[in-house]
This record gives sequence, structure tokens and C-alpha cells, in this order.
Amino acid sequence: DAKTTQPNSMESNEEEPVHLPCNHSTISGTDYIHWYRQLPSQGPEYVIHGLTSNVNNRMASLAIAEDRKSSTLILHRATLRDAAVYYCILRAPTINTNAGKSTFGDGTTLTVKP
Amino acid sequence: AAGVIQSPRHLIKEKRETATLKCYPIPRHDTVYWYQQGPGQDPQFLISFYEKMQSDKGSIPDRFSAQQFSDYHSELNMSSLELGDSALYFCASSLGRGSLAKNIQYFGAGTRLSVL
Repeated sequence: DAKTTQPNSMESNEEEPVHLPCNHSTISGTDYIHWYRQLPSQGPEYVIHGLTSNVNNRMASLAIAEDRKSSTLILHRATLRDAAVYYCILRAPTINTNAGKSTFGDGTTLTVKP
Repeated sequence: AAGVIQSPRHLIKEKRETATLKCYPIPRHDTVYWYQQGPGQDPQFLISFYEKMQSDKGSIPDRFSAQQFSDYHSELNMSSLELGDSALYFCASSLGRGSLAKNIQYFGAGTRLSVL
């Protein structure tokens, strides 16, 4: 499985934008880039995903490098409720099964200061 | 909106006992995934099912087995429990139509298993 590399932790002030980077230099052409976040004692929660083009939704934006070897999750205005572990995940169709399992990396712990 | 339901939420077992965890996916979702998250660790993929057939296998011990039933709910059976099996077990579901790589996984709240 292709690996992702993320900083262990990041800090942000409330109401400010946050850019969470992810490196995935061994990404294959069919891998989708997914971002999930996990609040303490909760299951992971979907944030956003993309393949090649930048994506926006109500939660965040995803900027994907032209060579697809890195991506950045952008939270436009961080709130205290955004404090969580953010996972950048590559999802690949598996041969013969199409299961699309997710391989979680180490994730980035985001701390939001009031 | 209906979410992924996992039961029980908490489970306490002794070493060498067995445990069964249940997962009820979001209605109309046909793909179920199981993950294990040890204390302070990241979720690790165990196994997945698509249309009631096992579709992918991760780091699932031989002592564990799982299946997906005709109503798409899934059960994870764990035997000869060890102390190291103490973890949060998450189930996720998705709608497996088309390219599964892009389909969003929706996670349940998890079952916390403690093995004493």
C-alpha cells in the first residue's frame, strides 16, 4: 500500500485558517486521496476526498499538487470543535475485490487555541 | 440520518474467552469494513466484505473471523482472547457501487473491548 507522511502535530488559533500537509510520493494513478478526522473516543469522520483536481465542500478544501505527490487539507476558519487527529489516506481498489480498504497513517494532531 | 450501529459499545472479557461484535451498516450500504485501534495507535484495517463476500483482508489474527449476513449486517468473532486484543473496534460501511476507491466510509462509534 502507498504510504502517507504527515506532521505529528500542528497548532492553530481559533478563527484562523489551517493548512494540513500530506506527502504521498508513491501514490499510484488510481489512488484517491481521502481525509478523515477522529475526535477523542469517536470513530473517524469523513472530511473530503479527491483524485486530481482541487475540491471544496462545506467542511474544508483539498488542494492536490499537480504531480499528486502531496496534498493539503485546508480548514478555512478553525474552531475549537476542529481539534482532532487528521488522517490523510490513499484508497486503492484492490485487485479482484474492489474493496477500497483504507490504510491509516500516523495522522496529525491538530490543537486549536482560543 | 441513520448511521452505522455497533453493539455492544463496551465489552469486558477474560483471557481465553470469546467475543462477538456486531455491526449494522447504513441502510442500502453493501460494504462493511472492520478496524482495530489499540490505545494511542491509529486504526488498523482487519477485514472487509462486499455483497456478503469477503473482499479484502488485513492484519486480522487467525483467532478472529467475520462474516456479512444476508441483511448486510456483519459480525466479528474473536476467540482465545488475549490481553493485546484490548482495543477499540470500529466498523465502517460504504455504498460499493462503481469505483470503491472513492466511496466514502462511514464509521460507527466503536466497541471498546477490554480483556482482563
